[in-house]
Amino acid sequence: AQSVTQPDIHITVSEGASLELRCNYSYGATPYLFWYVQSPGQGLQLLLKYFSGDTLVQGIKGFEAEFKRSQSSFNLRKPSVHWSDAAEYFCAVATRSNDYKLSFGAGTTVTVRA
Amino acid sequence: DAGVTQSPTHLIKTRGQQVTLRCSPKSGHDTVSWYQQALGQGPQFIFQYYEEEERQRGNFPDRFSGHQFPNYSSELNVNALLLGDSALYLCASTPRTGAGITEAFFGQGTRLTVV
Repeated sequence: AQSVTQPDIHITVSEGASLELRCNYSYGATPYLFWYVQSPGQGLQLLLKYFSGDTLVQGIKGFEAEFKRSQSSFNLRKPSVHWSDAAEYFCAVATRSNDYKLSFGAGTTVTVRA
Repeated sequence: DAGVTQSPTHLIKTRGQQVTLRCSPKSGHDTVSWYQQALGQGPQFIFQYYEEEERQRGNFPDRFSGHQFPNYSSELNVNALLLGDSALYLCASTPRTGAGITEAFFGQGTRLTVV
């Protein structure tokens, strides 16, 4: 079955520390990969996306993600978190066979402590 | 550019009632998708509209229906509301470039509470 898994439900990180959020997918077709961020009560904002090419992609707010086909992963990283990074993060996958509709993971909530 | 706009932002309905949610896509976008996000979960795809027709549908009952207008705006209708329909409903728009995958832009959502 096709699925997107975010293994960590909640992560707490100190301000200034590094952050890594995991995302694994199970799709037979070539995946198009996204990370979105959602602040409480808000919609989704795209952080970055991977369609093809360089497997290390840079996004907004200092985030980056690396596509590893052999591991079916697309982990999100930030070298130094800010208190404003506290939010919920969603990994999403689209494929041509699904006519590019987005399938989301369950999300990871990030708490930043001072 | 106003981006994707949704209305209303919040509403409360009673079980059994019907509700209509509205979405205006980002300028230049002609494809609208709707998602349901229950509390503590990721968004789930409901359906997608392009050229005023439903093009794809997720695993949602027929109580969920939609419409797209000539100006590309869209409505989501839910009949016979259940308590379990309480959720954040998100609208996303994309351009239909013919080139395949594109970035989806999301609105702020409509928070529906069914009591």
